[in-house]
Amino acid sequence: EAQVTQNPRYLITVTGKKLTVTCSQNMNHEYMSWYRQDPGLGLRQIYYSMNVEVTDKGDVPEGYKVSRKEKRNFPLILESPSPNQTSLYFCASTSPTSGVYEQYFGPGTRLTVT
Amino acid sequence: AQKITQTQPGMFVQEKEAVTLDCTYDTSDPSYGLFWYKQPSSGEMIFLIYQGSYDQQNATEGRYSLNFQKARKSANLVISASQLGDSAMYFCAMREGSGGSNYKLTFGKGTLLTVNP
Repeated sequence: EAQVTQNPRYLITVTGKKLTVTCSQNMNHEYMSWYRQDPGLGLRQIYYSMNVEVTDKGDVPEGYKVSRKEKRNFPLILESPSPNQTSLYFCASTSPTSGVYEQYFGPGTRLTVT
Repeated sequence: AQKITQTQPGMFVQEKEAVTLDCTYDTSDPSYGLFWYKQPSSGEMIFLIYQGSYDQQNATEGRYSLNFQKARKSANLVISASQLGDSAMYFCAMREGSGGSNYKLTFGKGTLLTVNP
């Protein structure tokens, strides 16, 4: 089954404690991206990756890091989380070959930083 | 200026009736794509329908259709014969350009649809 997986699904942590949210896709997609969703703001892009070792900032990259060492994986790293990073996070992937660029979303990770 | 505007924070519809969710967009790029996603209370994002800027006909997918009015820059979602399971948050989104660097989706703030029995 074609899918994007994220782990963990739920996470409660404390300010300053480094954490990583994993994302993996099994569709051989070149493009992967992270979004955060906040009430009343819709989804906003954090970082994206066009392929292995190619990453770039989205609209709200402050406080986040990413890496793309393998095509299927695109982890999101919060080195020193703060309460304003409490949010619902989505990983997404797509392939340029589709022509539509429909993005497949993971199930979401609900992060709370206290 | 917002690139995607959804003016209806909440909508109510009776079961089996049709409902239209509004979306207007703003772009100067001649090549773009418009998407609708459904987000039920469980949180996942479910792709519903897509319309490309060069598509001549309005997109349809089962009970979903997209009323695309290019000159007015609107891309309204029409759900026919509403079902209780359609109760969810609905997001309109746009991808600008035909690819190359970033396939980012810009999202509206969403419309919460409630279907009443």
